[in-house]
Amino acid sequence: KNEVEQSPQNLTAQEGEFITINCSYSVGISALHWLQQHPGGGIVSLFMLSSGKKKHGRLIATINIQEKHSSLHITASHPRDSAVYICAGNTDKLIFGTGTRLQVFP
Amino acid sequence: KAGVTQTPRYLIKTRGQQVTLSCSPISGHRSVSWYQQTPGQGLQFLFEYFSETQRNKGNFPGRFSGRQFSNSRSEMNVSTLELGDSALYLCASSLAISQETQYFGPGTRLLVL
Repeated sequence: KNEVEQSPQNLTAQEGEFITINCSYSVGISALHWLQQHPGGGIVSLFMLSSGKKKHGRLIATINIQEKHSSLHITASHPRDSAVYICAGNTDKLIFGTGTRLQVFP
Repeated sequence: KAGVTQTPRYLIKTRGQQVTLSCSPISGHRSVSWYQQTPGQGLQFLFEYFSETQRNKGNFPGRFSGRQFSNSRSEMNVSTLELGDSALYLCASSLAISQETQYFGPGTRLLVL
């Protein structure tokens, strides 16, 4: 049983569109990470949050503790945003979602 | 500051061999975590080291082991390699415990033939 569920699995968008990726998690997770993985494998940590909302550039992450749900939003999407986005929950270790493959076309 | 470095970047081994992968964390980071990524299972936690002590271990067989040195550099070892061990192995470092923001290395891609 995966304690972190992500949706959708795949997402395509036109440049400029607003994008939302969702992550639901089970009890026992104290914080939620959003990661970005480009082709070739390198992973970048985008956000870590345990409450509220964080923003960095065109990326916004929100978390609702009561509903055990987090979202990653990308405003004004660009082809360079094409990547796999992974959410991961913190227990005493990171538990990963299966990832969302995003492709943004010009 | 230099980022997390991993060596080697690519490796080909045959079944039954053993392999050692190395990870150098960002200077000043004391926690190093290791992860395995495969197409079928995705990203999975292997283990975490902090101040030379294994702090946590994932659900992997005893063939997977690791250690951390006094300079925080870490190695992981896989003995008696199996075809299913073919994967991207990633390490990540953080200042203290893994619950903080982690900084990932580029990974070592291991192919077992």
